[in-house]
Amino acid sequence: AQSVTQLGSHVSVSEGALVLLRCNYSSSVPPYLFWYVQYPNQGLQLLLKYTSAATLVKGINGFEAEFKKSETSFHLTKPSAHMSDAAEYFCAVSSVVAGFKTIFGAGTRLFVKA
Amino acid sequence: DGGITQSPKYLFRKEGQNVTLSCEQNLNHDAMYWYRQDPGQGLRLIYYSQIVNDFQKGDIAEGYSVSREKKESFPLTVTSAQKNPTAFYLCASSKVEGHYGYTFGSGTRLTVV
Repeated sequence: AQSVTQLGSHVSVSEGALVLLRCNYSSSVPPYLFWYVQYPNQGLQLLLKYTSAATLVKGINGFEAEFKKSETSFHLTKPSAHMSDAAEYFCAVSSVVAGFKTIFGAGTRLFVKA
Repeated sequence: DGGITQSPKYLFRKEGQNVTLSCEQNLNHDAMYWYRQDPGQGLRLIYYSQIVNDFQKGDIAEGYSVSREKKESFPLTVTSAQKNPTAFYLCASSKVEGHYGYTFGSGTRLTVV
C-alpha cells in the first residue's frame, strides 16, 4: 500500500528565509512523486514531479525537491521565501501497482512573515 | 489553451435537494477524478473514471453519483443522502499513466443553507 506523510500542518518562515516542507512516502515499488500548490479558493497546481530520472527535481517558482530513496523522502525547498509563496502545499505519490491512483498528503500551510 | 473548467464556482443547496457540479476538460485526458476538500483534511477521493462509460468509487462515495458519457465531461451529483455536503469540491484530470500528474479545476464551493 502507498501512503504519504507531510510533517507539520503549518510552517512559518520569514521573507527571504529558506523554505523546507517535509514529505515522506511509503511504496513497495519505485514511486512517482509530486508536489502541488494551492492558493486560497483555487484548485491545485503541479509544482514539480519525480519520475525516476534525476533525483533533484526543479519546479516552477524557484522550488525544487530531492528524491532520497534511503530516507523515503521527497522534501520541497526554496532558498528564499517570497510573500507570494504563502499557500498550502501537497505532496502526492502514485505507482503502477496502485493503478496510478494518486495518494495525497494532508497538506502543509506555509506562512511567510514580512 | 487547454484546461479543466468547473462550474459553478459557488453553489447553495437547500437540505433535501440534489445538486450537480459540472466538470469539463479539453486536454484529451482519459482519466477524471472528483475530490472533496474540508479544512484540515486534505483531499478525499469521491469517484474516478479512467474511460468513458466506466467509473469507480473512491474513499467517500456514499451520497454522491457520477456519470461519464463523454470523454470531456464528468459531472458529480451530490444527493440528499449526503448528510454533510458543505465542502470545496475539486475535479481533476490526467493521462491514465500516473507519472504525468493531475490538472485541477478551480473548484466549486458548495454550501447547504
